[in-house]
Amino acid sequence: AQSVAQPEDQVNVAEGNPLTVKCTYSVSGNPYLFWYVQYPNRGLQFLLKYITGDNLVKGSYGFEAEFNKSQTSFHLKKPSALVSDSALYFCAVRDVPGGGANNLFFGTGTRLTVIP
Amino acid sequence: DVKVTQSSRYLVKRTGEKVFLECVQDMDHENMFWYRQDPGLGLRLIYFSYDVKMKEKGDIPEGYSVSREKKERFSLILESASTNQTSMYLCASSKRIDPEQYFGPGTRLTVT
Repeated sequence: AQSVAQPEDQVNVAEGNPLTVKCTYSVSGNPYLFWYVQYPNRGLQFLLKYITGDNLVKGSYGFEAEFNKSQTSFHLKKPSALVSDSALYFCAVRDVPGGGANNLFFGTGTRLTVIP
Repeated sequence: DVKVTQSSRYLVKRTGEKVFLECVQDMDHENMFWYRQDPGLGLRLIYFSYDVKMKEKGDIPEGYSVSREKKERFSLILESASTNQTSMYLCASSKRIDPEQYFGPGTRLTVT
């Protein structure tokens, strides 16, 4: 079965500093990996995905993620954090339960707080 | 612009009531999903559907049922609400072979 782990419940970073939100995965087959963001009282918004190709994936709002096959990681990064980046971040991996469905299995989430 | 809408943002129900949560998408997506979100547990899949009248159990289907009579609409039903079903409920949709999901704004359900 597919799974993802987000080892940090909470990440604090000063505004203007680089940020990293960690994610590791376990899959059978090729990994399809995703990052989503959730602002307060909102649904999830897609940030970026890795399916194939370059290991560095660029997404929305200046975020990027690095796929590392040997470390089975897909960490989310941003060079310079903004206060408005404060939110809940979810890593997800494609799950194929059969029947032609393409599901996503989500991590438990990491709350990012950017301190002014 | 893609859109997934949910019938209510906030809902308060009493224990034992039957509760309907509605989700509508306007993207002609084949797949639709219901999740619940709880602090520290992330998103857990309740049910999903990959076609009209088709439904599959997710990881936590107990106490829930679903209905998909039309392609654009996916309903989650709590037959007899209980306090442990107090949660945020998120609906999502996706194309048949594309795992990227689009989410609605969520319904925060409180059962008292």
